[in-house]
Amino acid sequence: GESVGLHLPTLSVQEGDNSIINCAYSNSASDYFIWYKQESGKGPQFIIDIRSNMDKRQGQRVTVLLNKTVKHLSLQIAATQPGDSAVYFCAENMLGGGFQGAQKLVFGQGTRLTINP
Amino acid sequence: EAGVAQSPRYKIIEKRQSVAFWCNPISGHATLYWYQQILGQGPKLLIQFQNNGVVDDSQLPKDRFSAERLKGVDSTLKIQPAKLEDSAVYLCASSLRPGAQNQPQHFGDGTRLSIL
Repeated sequence: GESVGLHLPTLSVQEGDNSIINCAYSNSASDYFIWYKQESGKGPQFIIDIRSNMDKRQGQRVTVLLNKTVKHLSLQIAATQPGDSAVYFCAENMLGGGFQGAQKLVFGQGTRLTINP
Repeated sequence: EAGVAQSPRYKIIEKRQSVAFWCNPISGHATLYWYQQILGQGPKLLIQFQNNGVVDDSQLPKDRFSAERLKGVDSTLKIQPAKLEDSAVYLCASSLRPGAQNQPQHFGDGTRLSIL
């Protein structure tokens, strides 16, 4: 859903474990979803996307699951590494105003992932 | 390929002053976006361009913010006059094709603006 507040949810995992980051989205009509990774001082970096006609998509070490029934999205990172430490945002595409097919991404609050050695 | 370029990386101004940010999107990307990211929050869309035309500026505070993309490539975002609540990172993003819904947006590293 929409970004609210100043306190990011935090997830701490041991290096080598799998990480699961969850996101609740707000609009049942949203048709496209993206996960971004944002490191300190940098812009959001595209990780993986999924369309609403799919419920699972896999990339390199990452898997996104989509449950449209409960409007829930998750990002699974396998064998978490120190370089995975960042804030992770989900974004949903709400059909944007004024132009057919315009993309309008709404970002969630973000989750800070920290890796314990 | 080269990513989205933004400048400056940092800017500090006093309230009521004006400031401008510049963005050069990925080559060939027709759609360009400006976002505002307040500390601890996700990016919020300010304005979207398709080539040199505005697609969506519904969340742009038009009394003080303006943006242009005159030749359909580079873009500038201006704030005049700045307020304390404008302190944020201003991100530029671009995506490939006009009207393409399911295309990921690629972001620059942003300009961090501090208002004193």
